[in-house]
Amino acid sequence: EVQMVESGGALVQPGGSLKLSCVASGFIFSAYDIHWVRQASGKGLEWVARIRDTTGNYATAYAESVKGRLTVSRDDSQSVSYLQMNSLRSEDTAVYYCVRRISDASDVFDFWGRGTLVSVSS
Amino acid sequence: DIVMTQSPLSLAVTPGEPASISCRSSQSLRYSNGYNFFGWYLQKPGKSPQLLISLGSIRASGVPDRFSGTESGTDFTLKISRVEAEDVGIYYCMQVLQIPVTFGQGTRLEIK
Repeated sequence: EVQMVESGGALVQPGGSLKLSCVASGFIFSAYDIHWVRQASGKGLEWVARIRDTTGNYATAYAESVKGRLTVSRDDSQSVSYLQMNSLRSEDTAVYYCVRRISDASDVFDFWGRGTLVSVSS
Repeated sequence: DIVMTQSPLSLAVTPGEPASISCRSSQSLRYSNGYNFFGWYLQKPGKSPQLLISLGSIRASGVPDRFSGTESGTDFTLKISRVEAEDVGIYYCMQVLQIPVTFGQGTRLEIK
């Protein structure tokens, strides 16, 4: 069974840092690009970041709104992706989902984790 | 950025009746392999989004056949032939042709 489980969400003060994890199982993690998508309460979906697989040289990409503050990484030996979040702002408050996409780009996002809540407030 | 525009933003449907949601992309989503890098997702209340239709018109594994996707140029349509109570939630379209990945605003489906 495919599973992607996010963790690390918490209440943090503006300017603070947080590191989210996404642990995957039930599929060949290394064959997938990993994306992070967030959703503020009652709002729509916003793409945040992507990390390619080894065939894509682990290339990363970020939304303009988070560039320079968020960093995505992965450890294929542990089937985990991380999202390091620095200089957090109130507008970063959201549920963060990790999502997979097959690395040969033959499909779209086909599985989403359950999400982890990040709240940025003083 | 590619803009995805959904309509309507909400609809209420009687069980057993059909429903249709449209999504228009600001540019072609067709990849070199001939497929549109486009998907439809349903986010049920309190849940994460689940894939319904991929590559414009391919029903995802386990999705009931009352769901179908059609495509014409930059216009995409999700059709539900007979709405059931379990279909309530928010439907999103998405393009994954270009970074940043972008989503439609979402369409809330309610049962009358």
